[in-house]
Order: sequence, then C-alpha cells, then structure tokens
Amino acid sequence: QKEVEQDPGPLSVPEGAIVSLNCTYSNSAFQYFMWYRQYSRKGPELLMYTYSSGNKEDGRFTAQVDKSSKYISLFIRDSQPSDSATYLCALCSNAGNNRKLIWGLGTSLAVNP
Amino acid sequence: DAGVIQSPRHEVTEMGQEVTLRCKPISGHNSLFWYRQTMMRGLELLIYFNNNVPIDDSGMPEDRFSAKMPNASFSTLKIQPSEPRDSAVYFCASSPGGNIQYFGAGTRLSVL
Repeated sequence: QKEVEQDPGPLSVPEGAIVSLNCTYSNSAFQYFMWYRQYSRKGPELLMYTYSSGNKEDGRFTAQVDKSSKYISLFIRDSQPSDSATYLCALCSNAGNNRKLIWGLGTSLAVNP
Repeated sequence: DAGVIQSPRHEVTEMGQEVTLRCKPISGHNSLFWYRQTMMRGLELLIYFNNNVPIDDSGMPEDRFSAKMPNASFSTLKIQPSEPRDSAVYFCASSPGGNIQYFGAGTRLSVL
C-alpha cells in the first residue's frame, strides 16, 4: 500500500463548478499537509499549507484535514479555466527534523469555459 | 528574487552519454532537493541536501546517478551512463527551512 493515495483523474468540470480533490494516507505520523498546483510544463507551486486537523480557507480554495480518517481534501469554489492544472497533495511528519515530503501522484483537472 | 533556476530546460542525448543537470537555489535557502517526475511514478525524491551536506540519498536509483552541492548557490545531478529509462522531468527545489519547497521549472530529459 502506498503511503499516499490520490486519484489521478482526469477530472473535467464546467466553469463555476465546485471541485473536490482528495488524498488518503496511511501513516498517522503525518502532521503537515500541503497542496501544490502544477501547470503544464512548469514546476509545482504551493497552494495551501495546513498543520494538523481542521479547515483553512484562502479565497476560492479551502483545505480540509481529517486526521481521524486519514483523509485530506482541497475544495475549489467557482472554478475558473485558469484552475486547469494538476493538483498534488504532499505530506510530512517532521519526525527527527526530516524534511522529506511524501507526494500523491496528482489529480489532473480541466475546467471548461 | 529569480526563484530556483535550472538548466538546461531540455536535454536530448543518446544512451550511454553523460548528462549533467544544474540548479541554483533561492538565495538564503539552506535545503535543496532533487526530484524526478514521470507519469507512472509521479514525483520521486532522489536526494536532498541540508547546508550543502547530503542528508538522504535513498531515492537515488543506482550508482549511475550522483549529486553534488559544492556551495550554497549551486548543485548538480549527473547521470553516467544515461539510459532510455532515465527519460523524465527532473526538478530541483529549495527550502528556507520548514516544509515548504520552492520548485524550479524543471529539466525535460530524453535519452534516445
């Protein structure tokens, strides 16, 4: 079993739709949860950063962490064609000052005008 | 700041040739990471450095791969000899500390 599971999609939605992207994980030691966005032929860039459980909102984006279920989500409200990209979840335990991130495979999202 | 700078952006080479990828991290960042990305395996961490010292190279596929960081502003990833299965996008990322990593634009490597 992989440490982090993420459905690769592709996911195709109409403009204005609410998008839900998810990852599940197996290691309860993970405490830091990130979502990166990667446009075609570009490097990943940090979108959202969450510590422990709970919700975090930034504009149209909401990150949600449920540690009891080992499940993290990214919601995009009023999706725009510019949101078309691959979204990767990344997790870290920081055990022993370890800086390694454990990555999901990424979900490809297309928002159609 | 110019961000993480990688060169070359594209590299096409023949099997058996040596390939050298270069990375300039963001000034002031003390950690540097080399990744490989493929459709099948996603982002794989190859090696990371902290204060120019290699900390974890467990992701380096085999002895054909080597990485160096001679100073805080430069790192190289070398593949010798290259093989077709090395074809991928290679990313360099740097971090000022903590968990957030900043990525370069990547080097797209094709080994024929």
